[in-house]
Amino acid sequence: NAGVMQNPRHLVRRRGQEARLRCSPMKGHSHVYWYRQLPEEGLKFMVYLQKENIIDESGMPKERFSAEFPKEGPSILRIQQVVRGDSAAYFCASSPPTRETGGYTFGSGTRLTVV
Amino acid sequence: GENVEQHPSTLSVQEGDSAVIKCTYSDSASNYFPWYKQELGKRPQLIIDIRSNVGEKKDQRIAVTLNKTAKHFSLHITETQPEDSAVYFCAARRAGNMLTFGGGTRLMVKP
Repeated sequence: NAGVMQNPRHLVRRRGQEARLRCSPMKGHSHVYWYRQLPEEGLKFMVYLQKENIIDESGMPKERFSAEFPKEGPSILRIQQVVRGDSAAYFCASSPPTRETGGYTFGSGTRLTVV
Repeated sequence: GENVEQHPSTLSVQEGDSAVIKCTYSDSASNYFPWYKQELGKRPQLIIDIRSNVGEKKDQRIAVTLNKTAKHFSLHITETQPEDSAVYFCAARRAGNMLTFGGGTRLMVKP
């Protein structure tokens, strides 16, 4: 089991460009969560998705950020017109489909740097 | 929604001493409480968890206790070692399979 796969591991974007972060959940996991972590800070929830559905996006900024988890392929977190404040580590986590489940399994994260 | 408070934010102990990290939660419906360890530059990794039908759980040098009445839970690490140095996050799960994380505790174990 390859675990939760995120790519790229590191991403550098100039201000105004778009960033696309990808996450493939663990085999058998159908729930995906995105978290943002600023340096020296905690994990801030962004969005919770199931296949083809956004379940909870209460942590997503209202503009420039979007997420999807299509029927086929990885989940994508998209940041349009990036600004310096978007620089952070973005972690994806996945969990099995049942309600009575354990904790999340995290990917290695994508470290976004906006220059 | 759920709110999880974690204390202390930093903790420094001497190697061999015990370390205790405490968390409180607000949603009485929360029923699952995991702890994650995050080493510098790495992903958070689950180290121990407890469900609301249990008051205490132990795994070698780490243990977690849960007080549902008071809505708080704690992580206990005994005989600390330098490799225990990391950031530790508590979390609580509310309905819909969501985890809410505490702000983290940076543990430093001095040799």
